[in-house]
Amino acid sequence: DVQLLESGGGLVQPGGSLRLSCAASGFTFSNYAMTWVRQAPGKGLEWVSGISGSGSSTYYADSVKGRFSISRDNSKNTVFLQMNSLRGEDTAVYYCAKDVRQHSSEHDYWGQGTLVTVSS
Amino acid sequence: DIQMTQSPSSVSASVGDRVTITCRASQDISSWLAWYQQKPGKAPKLLIYVASTLQSGVPSRFSGSGSGTDFTLTISSLQPEDFATYYCQQANSFLGKLTFGGGTKVEIK
Repeated sequence: DVQLLESGGGLVQPGGSLRLSCAASGFTFSNYAMTWVRQAPGKGLEWVSGISGSGSSTYYADSVKGRFSISRDNSKNTVFLQMNSLRGEDTAVYYCAKDVRQHSSEHDYWGQGTLVTVSS
Repeated sequence: DIQMTQSPSSVSASVGDRVTITCRASQDISSWLAWYQQKPGKAPKLLIYVASTLQSGVPSRFSGSGSGTDFTLTISSLQPEDFATYYCQQANSFLGKLTFGGGTKVEIK
């Protein structure tokens, strides 16, 4: 079975940094793009960032470009989201998702989410 | 960037009703459209991809249609477990960012 387990969320002060991890199992990790999606409290889904299966292509929402960085370690079946210069509006549940294809596309499996709270 | 607009933002319906949700893209996305269902406190679930292909395990009462800029999700006979929020998404990175629509909440009438 496909499993995605996020970790690394928590409380951080504005301007601070956090690194999220997502450990994947149950599929050939390097064959699929991976994605981070977030959901602020009471709000809708926001696509944040995606990375191709090889790691050669990365994509970012305008709201996080220049502050967040996505990467993956295919030897450890893990995708990361490095979040710098955090703001209050980054407060959200962050979901890791597996894409249907090698390049960024629909997301057929999701983790349970990890909460990031940016507050002083 | 491509914008995705869903309507209505909420709908009240009864068990057994036919429910239709619309999603409009700001530019032509061919059939690169996905639909998700999300229940409170849970991760989203993929229902339909490439506009009309049902994800494995999804009941056949769900269907999707459309291409270009206008798309529709239809629930043919609403069941109690279908009360949830539904999102559409532009689903091809070669066309740009994978933007979600604002969501449609299906509530009990």
